[in-house]
Amino acid sequence: AQSVTQLDSHVSVSEGTPVLLRCNYSSSYSPSLFWYVQHPNKGLQLLLKYTSAATLVKGINGFEAEFKKSETSFHLTKPSAHMSDAAEYFCVVSGSNQFYFGTGTSLTVIP
Amino acid sequence: SAVISQKPSRDICQRGTSLTIQCQVDSQVTMMFWYRQQPGQSLTLIATANQGSEATYESGFVIDKFPISRPNLTFSTLTVSNMSPEDSSIYLCSAQHGTSGSNEQYFGPGTRLTVT
Repeated sequence: AQSVTQLDSHVSVSEGTPVLLRCNYSSSYSPSLFWYVQHPNKGLQLLLKYTSAATLVKGINGFEAEFKKSETSFHLTKPSAHMSDAAEYFCVVSGSNQFYFGTGTSLTVIP
Repeated sequence: SAVISQKPSRDICQRGTSLTIQCQVDSQVTMMFWYRQQPGQSLTLIATANQGSEATYESGFVIDKFPISRPNLTFSTLTVSNMSPEDSSIYLCSAQHGTSGSNEQYFGPGTRLTVT
């Protein structure tokens, strides 16, 4: 069975400081993992995905994530937060022809 | 990639009525899905819309309540039937090229439904 756990429901950072959003996954086989962002009143946008190629995945808007099999983690990072990064972030694992969503992490960026 | 549009973007409906939400993709896609996102919550899969056959529903969702059509490879509808205030949610359509689990899903902007 596949599942993801987002370890923080809310994260608050100051503008210009690093962002870390944590995600642990459970999968019975080699997983495909995704991070999506949802800005207020908008649909979901794909930030990046891991599909068993390079373990460090670079995405849009300066985000990246590292797949660590030993830790079953796929944490999302960004070196320097921007005000426009304030949004809801979802970690997703795929399996059995469907996506399994985490509960989401709300990112607040303080000016 | 795929660009997805949904109609309506929002609606306020009376209890006991039904609403049909349309989802249009700008290219042919293999898979289409319908999700519900309740306020402040994550996404829950309602069903997979299958082209030319009955939709595949997830546990807790039934065809009588959420009938789905998918007449071709670019279009699907979700009907929310006999609505109650508990159906107030955002309903999102998504699409995927191919059936591989490594393929991303593209999401529409959602339909915000309020039932009074």
